[in-house]
Amino acid sequence: DVKVTQSSRYLVKRTGEKVFLECVQDMDHENMFWYRQDPGLGLRLIYFSYDVKMKEKGDIPEGYSVSREKKERFSLILESASTNQTSMYLCASSDYRNEQFFGPGTRLTVL
Amino acid sequence: DQQVKQNSPSLSVQEGRISILNCDYTNSMFDYFLWYKKYPAEGPTFLISISSIKDKNEDGRFTVFLNKSAKHLSLHIVPSQPGDSAVYFCAARPSGAGSYQLTFGKGTKLSVIP
Repeated sequence: DVKVTQSSRYLVKRTGEKVFLECVQDMDHENMFWYRQDPGLGLRLIYFSYDVKMKEKGDIPEGYSVSREKKERFSLILESASTNQTSMYLCASSDYRNEQFFGPGTRLTVL
Repeated sequence: DQQVKQNSPSLSVQEGRISILNCDYTNSMFDYFLWYKKYPAEGPTFLISISSIKDKNEDGRFTVFLNKSAKHLSLHIVPSQPGDSAVYFCAARPSGAGSYQLTFGKGTKLSVIP
């Protein structure tokens, strides 16, 4: 079974803090993705990576950065968290052009 | 500009009946379509997919229909069960070797009433 794990299920941070969200997949997938899910807005792509050290902006990259130093790990960084970044963050991975497998999500609250 | 649209935010169906979830798209370059199911506080799970070379794909109680001329797809669940209550997302991927991105709709919340 494909497994995508995320470092935290719930996270509470203060405005201005630097936040790291970690994602690890165990299926040797080339592609990894970060989304946020908000009520009424569906899943929106923040960044994705199709190889180690490679990254591409998604639809809403502003306020975020990413890091992929190893194939299995993809990190999402909020340089200075703001209240409008309170959301559910979902990581996914895929093999070439096949379906994406999602992690359980991290519910981030920024106070 | 919403390229994948799920116009019904919610749907209620009686247990045992058919659930039909609809999805429309605008981008003619989309050639692969997927449905995901999401329970609260969990990540989405892949349900079923269809390639643009087909007009129907079936997997147990789940069938996806694709009408390319209308740029419309639908997910049928027969018979519906209470455990099917979840948010369903339609997603689409464009053709092209380097196309890994999925574009998601906003989701439809299905409630199956016992």
